[in-house]
Amino acid sequence: GDKVKQSPSALSLQEGTNSALRCNFSIAATTVQWFLQNPRGSLINLFYLVPGTKENGRLKSAFDSKESYSTLHIRDAQLEDSGTYFCAADITGNTGKLIFGLGTTLQVQP
Amino acid sequence: EAAVTQSPRSKVAVTGGKVTLSCHQTNNHDYMYWYRQDTGHGLRLIHYSYVADSTEKGDIPDGYKASRPSQENFSLILELASLSQTAVYFCATGLGANTGQLYFGEGSKLTVL
Repeated sequence: GDKVKQSPSALSLQEGTNSALRCNFSIAATTVQWFLQNPRGSLINLFYLVPGTKENGRLKSAFDSKESYSTLHIRDAQLEDSGTYFCAADITGNTGKLIFGLGTTLQVQP
Repeated sequence: EAAVTQSPRSKVAVTGGKVTLSCHQTNNHDYMYWYRQDTGHGLRLIHYSYVADSTEKGDIPDGYKASRPSQENFSLILELASLSQTAVYFCATGLGANTGQLYFGEGSKLTVL
């Protein structure tokens, strides 16, 4: 958790609202991945990022390697968005080994 | 159909006993990884492999061995299980070399008593 810091650690949203999660890196990340761990414990791929921005439906993510951070924006939050969001950084550039943050636990309320 | 399957999905072991967790992939990926997740925490890398018959140490390899007998299969072996190894273990596959995301199995919950 020291090399990849996620904020906030926990978040509660009303359905239909927007939010942003953030990861700060104290190491030189080459790529970043975002995962959602659902209440069953499964890890779901959300984004794989080189420096830049990607969008998928109500989710949008950005990775700035120079400023060493990544963000995940959730628009129009739904109940099924609840779970723990992890970001993970690859610092090796050639092995795919990931260093994970400690996660942001999101609860979407009706 | 799941491309990364782990077995067993859940296991209770006794302290000092031997535990083998297995992972099978149909992704045709060169890289395979074993991570552990402790309650309320992120994942930490134990061992990984980029080719059959070869394994590499990750960030927390102590107390664990790994085996990659074929491209499809990757096992994690606890020769002498300890209480501190109670955790959920995830297997993942990937192409490595900045070429794409990791794909995780469903996890194996290990309880050591």
